[in-house]
Parts: sequence; C-alpha cells; structure tokens
Amino acid sequence: QKEVEQNSGPLSVPEGAIASLNCTYSDRGSQSFFWYRQYSGKSPELIMFIYSNGDKEDGRFTAQLNKASQYVSLLIRDSQPSDSATYLCAVTPGFGNEKLTFGTGTRLTIIP
Amino acid sequence: GAVVSQHPSWVICKSGTSVKIECRSLDFQATTMFWYRQFPKQSLMLMATSNEGSKATYEQGVEKDKFLINHASLTLSTLTVTSAHPEDSSFYICSARFWGAEETQYFGPGTRLLVL
Repeated sequence: QKEVEQNSGPLSVPEGAIASLNCTYSDRGSQSFFWYRQYSGKSPELIMFIYSNGDKEDGRFTAQLNKASQYVSLLIRDSQPSDSATYLCAVTPGFGNEKLTFGTGTRLTIIP
Repeated sequence: GAVVSQHPSWVICKSGTSVKIECRSLDFQATTMFWYRQFPKQSLMLMATSNEGSKATYEQGVEKDKFLINHASLTLSTLTVTSAHPEDSSFYICSARFWGAEETQYFGPGTRLLVL
C-alpha cells in the first residue's frame, strides 16, 4: 500500500513565527511532490511543488525534499492568521504518471 | 494559476435520482481530468481519471456504472452519480492536469452533494 503520512495536528503557531509541516511517503520511486492548502469547505489550492532534492522557495513558503529519507516538508515564514487551514501533502509515482496520492492533512492554526 | 470551474457548487437531491456535475478548464485545454471525493475530516480519494475521447479509468472499489464519467471535449468532463443514495453524500472535486513549465494539477471549487 503506497501511503503518504502527515501529522493530523492541530498545529498551533503564533503569528509571525515559522510553521513547519512534515510529510513522509512510502513509495521510494515517487518523483513529484506537492503541497496544497485547503480552507474549510473549500477545494485544495496548490501552494508549491518540488521535484528535486533540496529547498525550493516561493515567497514565504519553502518546500524541502529529502528523497533518501522519503521526507518532504513545508515551511511558512512570518505566519499570518490567513494561513490557518489544512495543508495536504500529495505525491505522484513518477513523471508522466499524474495520479496524486494525498496525505490526510495537517490542520494549522495561527494564533494572533 | 490555471482556472478550473465546477457546476453546480451545491446540490440536494432525493434518493434514487441522478445528479450530473460539470468540470471545466477555463483557460487551458485538459486532456486529463481527475475526479475526487472527500468525506468530512478525511483526505481526498481519487475516484477516476477522465481522458478526453476515451473511457475513464476507475480506481479500485469505485463502481463505474454508478459514477458515469464523460470527457467529451478538451475543456469539459462530467461526472454523473446515478441512482444516488445518502451514502453518496460527499464533496466531489475535479482537477485538471496543466502542462505549463512543469506539470501540475489545479482543482475546481468542488460540488457538495447531499442525498436525502
């Protein structure tokens, strides 16, 4: 069973601090990794994707991928109350195979 | 990002009726769209992959005769829930594969179905 695991939370972080969200995956052959944000009652919104080991930065968001450890994380700097949402990690088996397998999500609450 | 729409956003129907949900890619062509279902406090579960001009590929455990998928054009896929029952009540979300600089999937806003 190919799985994507996340801590369900809730994770509470003070406003202005760094929020760190983690995800592990079981399929060592996975190639593409995505972070989606989902507000309550809404559909997921793509935040970032990463394919290569290392860090990828986009504004306040940084995705980190370590394929050897089968671990991908998302850092949110200068956390804002509007960042409060459920964050979904998703993985695809390989390039050209676009089926997303989602983790159960981590609920993040930013405390003003 | 690319825009994907869904219609309707909300539907309430009686048990035994059929409901059609549309998914459209508004500013790009999507040869592949995906249909997901999400129950409360659970993650998204892929139901099927919809390919333009060919039959959909269903995930294990999803009844293809109950969840009819048609991908008639490069911008439209439809999901029809036939003979709906209360246990089909869920949040149905489509996504479309977008080939930009890198491959990504964009999600529609979702359709909340309540079967009475």
